[in-house]
Amino acid sequence: DTAVSQTPKYLVTQMGNDKSIKCEQNLGHDTMYWYKQDSKKFLKIMFSYNNKELIINETVPNRFSPKSPDKAHLNLHINSLELGDSAVYFCASSTIGGRRAFFGQGTRLTVV
Amino acid sequence: GIQVEQSPPDLILQEGANSTLRCNFSDSVNNLQWFHQNPWGQLINLFYIPSGTKQNGRLSATTVATERYSLLYISSSQTTDSGVYFCAVDPGNNDMRFGAGTRLTVKP
Repeated sequence: DTAVSQTPKYLVTQMGNDKSIKCEQNLGHDTMYWYKQDSKKFLKIMFSYNNKELIINETVPNRFSPKSPDKAHLNLHINSLELGDSAVYFCASSTIGGRRAFFGQGTRLTVV
Repeated sequence: GIQVEQSPPDLILQEGANSTLRCNFSDSVNNLQWFHQNPWGQLINLFYIPSGTKQNGRLSATTVATERYSLLYISSSQTTDSGVYFCAVDPGNNDMRFGAGTRLTVKP
């Protein structure tokens, strides 16, 4: 059983499109995150949720909207995709307080 | 926000060598973790270590919270240890911040 799963693994789309990435965890964790990893491998936090409540909302364009229907799911919707949005997006979950975070396999988004 | 600095940025070792990776952070933290990102991009949690020392096989980690640094030791390195090692810290508000990583290459 995969602990944190993201779909899709690869996403190629044209500029201006809207796309979603789904994330689910079966660990019973309270906290979930989205990170963006750029071409230099730097991992930047985008959002964190605790029990469906938004905790951290970094300086991310409002074209990015997270949605947490329940504490096991945290989806990321991106409107009006731009070339600069191309990156690998990682979902993660942890127990409350951020202990031992576990990551999904990543979604490689390519905007053409 | 909290700053996390890792050193060295790059490290090349011969198989069998030992190494020490360092993580400095700018403020008090409730949580510190070490991760390994393998060449296929998968992020693996190595240690949850807000303070003290832990060992897991050839890897061990020490965090001195009062001096705001953590060390990751890799002994008898193997080619499968190659990848990027990240330190991540959280001051306690679910705001887990990563350092820029140490890229390790282990040559056979």
